[in-house]
Amino acid sequence: EPEVTQTPSHQVTQMGQEVILRCVPISNHLYFYWYRQILGQKVEFLVSFYNNEISEKSEIFDDQFSVERPDGSNFTLKIRSTKLEDSAMYFCASSPDRGRIHHEQYFGPGTRLTVT
Amino acid sequence: KNQVEQSPQSLIILEGKNCTLQCNYTVSPFSNLRWYKQDTGRGPVSLTIMTFSENTKSNGRYTATLDADTKQSSLHITASQLSDSASYICVVRGNYGGSQGNLIFGKGTKLSVKP
Repeated sequence: EPEVTQTPSHQVTQMGQEVILRCVPISNHLYFYWYRQILGQKVEFLVSFYNNEISEKSEIFDDQFSVERPDGSNFTLKIRSTKLEDSAMYFCASSPDRGRIHHEQYFGPGTRLTVT
Repeated sequence: KNQVEQSPQSLIILEGKNCTLQCNYTVSPFSNLRWYKQDTGRGPVSLTIMTFSENTKSNGRYTATLDADTKQSSLHITASQLSDSASYICVVRGNYGGSQGNLIFGKGTKLSVKP
């Protein structure tokens, strides 16, 4: 069964450094998402992406964040200058079609980002 | 403010027993409600999606109910197994016209099934 994959599984970086989290959504899916989950807290929506542009973003998704789909398979989240509070689990998700608002989102296993 | 509240925060039950998890939400307008299972260190996996018109939906030993009038949902797990130990997250999608609407997550109920 197709799965969303994410790399790396764990990323440790120093404050102020740039990080890129990578995701390979399920092929033929059209919508892509990033979420984050700070340890012990609930999952929070960051951004959705469709047709090579951001369709929605939350207040968390400020100028330090950017997303890109550089080729036909990868979907990346870049944090330009990491802060301690960016430490969290980052989940990528994808969903298959546009017309139905009840479409399922399939989540990847997550990347644990630790900022020191 | 759109919120999703779950109870209890955590629950310990013996293998083979049943349990019911609760979800209350204030999201409006409402599109659908989802229950996810999240194993430690893994991404959420969907169990059910329920729309406004659905009252009950089952997926194996999982049965979700929805009362859109009172904005409450429950997830009932029958004959629990050790592998049911996980966090169960209630997620509500708002219906914001042409927008996709964000998914609003509850904090989850951490279920531990003991032998």
